[in-house]
Amino acid sequence: AQSVTQLGSHVSVSEGALVLLRCNYSSSVPPYLFWYVQYPNQGLQLLLKYTTGATLVKGINGFEAEFKKSETSFHLTKPSAHMSDAAEYFCAVSDNFSSGSARQLTFGSGTQLTVLP
Amino acid sequence: GAGVSQTPSNKVTEKGKYVELRCDPISGHTALYWYRQSLGQGPEFLIYFQGTGAADDSGLPNDRFFAVRPEGSVSTLKIQRTERGDSAVYLCASAPSFHNEQFFGPGTRLTVL
Repeated sequence: AQSVTQLGSHVSVSEGALVLLRCNYSSSVPPYLFWYVQYPNQGLQLLLKYTTGATLVKGINGFEAEFKKSETSFHLTKPSAHMSDAAEYFCAVSDNFSSGSARQLTFGSGTQLTVLP
Repeated sequence: GAGVSQTPSNKVTEKGKYVELRCDPISGHTALYWYRQSLGQGPEFLIYFQGTGAADDSGLPNDRFFAVRPEGSVSTLKIQRTERGDSAVYLCASAPSFHNEQFFGPGTRLTVL
């Protein structure tokens, strides 16, 4: 079984400040890890993903995340917040392909990011 | 190109009624997923289709929930004898294959009164 824990249901940062959204996962097999963003009344949009290879992954809109196996973490960061980053962010985990599973995503409960002017 | 679309965007029904929620995936995508997102929670997996068949329905909460995808494209999620606890946003996602990125639709917000 897999699970995801996102610490902090609400995070507020000032415009231009560092964004750090925390995600820890539990998985019995090597995981694939994802961050999605959800704007009001819109579908989930993929920000970035880790499958294999380089543990620091870069995504859209200046976001990046680092897979740390020893800490079972996949925290999302952005050096400088912009007002347009205000949204809800979801971390998700899935099985890797080799397990032959359907690769459905298991999501955390989300973190609402507020950017203050 | 067109993304995943879901209709209706909002559905209000009364307890005990039957509802159908529709998902139009991206053209050519063979994998289709349904998720349910309750207030303040992340999406939870319901069912996965590869082509026309339900390859994994382990997330369906009970036998009041059923989904079909008869021609391997459009999918319909059906809920019988709706209960207030079924109120949630129902999300659909499609992918070129099961091992590719999932693209999500905007969801259908279901409210059971």
